[in-house]
Amino acid sequence: GAVVSQHPSWVICKSGTSVKIECRSLDFQATTMFWYRQFPKQSLMLMATSNEGSKATYEQGVEKDKFLINHASLTLSTLTVTSAHPEDSSFYICSASSGGEVNEQFFGPGTRLTVL
Amino acid sequence: GQNIDQPTEMTATEGAIVQINCTYQTSGFNGLFWYQQHAGEAPTFLSYNVLDGLEEKGRFSSFLSRSKGYSYLLLKELQMKDSASYLCAVSDSNYQLIWGAGTKLIIKP
Repeated sequence: GAVVSQHPSWVICKSGTSVKIECRSLDFQATTMFWYRQFPKQSLMLMATSNEGSKATYEQGVEKDKFLINHASLTLSTLTVTSAHPEDSSFYICSASSGGEVNEQFFGPGTRLTVL
Repeated sequence: GQNIDQPTEMTATEGAIVQINCTYQTSGFNGLFWYQQHAGEAPTFLSYNVLDGLEEKGRFSSFLSRSKGYSYLLLKELQMKDSASYLCAVSDSNYQLIWGAGTKLIIKP
């Protein structure tokens, strides 16, 4: 149980285009979903936290108008990178939590974005 | 501020035992997680400690001392597939995970 999927697993796009990444919890309802970014040889960096039906909470330094997050249901959250540039190239990982005492985060497989 | 410290890199021999330490200073504490992350892949859950003591799970064990702000992950009978980064993360008073930078573990034959 506790499977989280991400789509696409990798994407290459031209500079200036927008890219949408989907994160789905397949076998549980995720009260909270998290979006992370990880550059090569660096640790995970939390970008934003989203709760179903409410606006996402962005970390300091993350542009909310550039990284649009929608958490429309308890099993789906989307991250849209608008007007992507080469410096946005990174590994984007989502995780989902169903709450509870442990509040463990279950991670999706990640999406590797390359902006040309 | 909030801070998680763990060694950047460790090397160990196949079949041996290795201990990866993690110290933390956070605003509140609601548990400590260890995750394993292979290169190019997302993290996978290894263990969770919220009370002091040792939690054993097969070849992996995790220890916590809340008074010392200290945890370690112990890996026994090391296998080549254990080569990965090991991430320590603490759940703070807001249940937000504060991540360490990760320890890259290199296993040599």
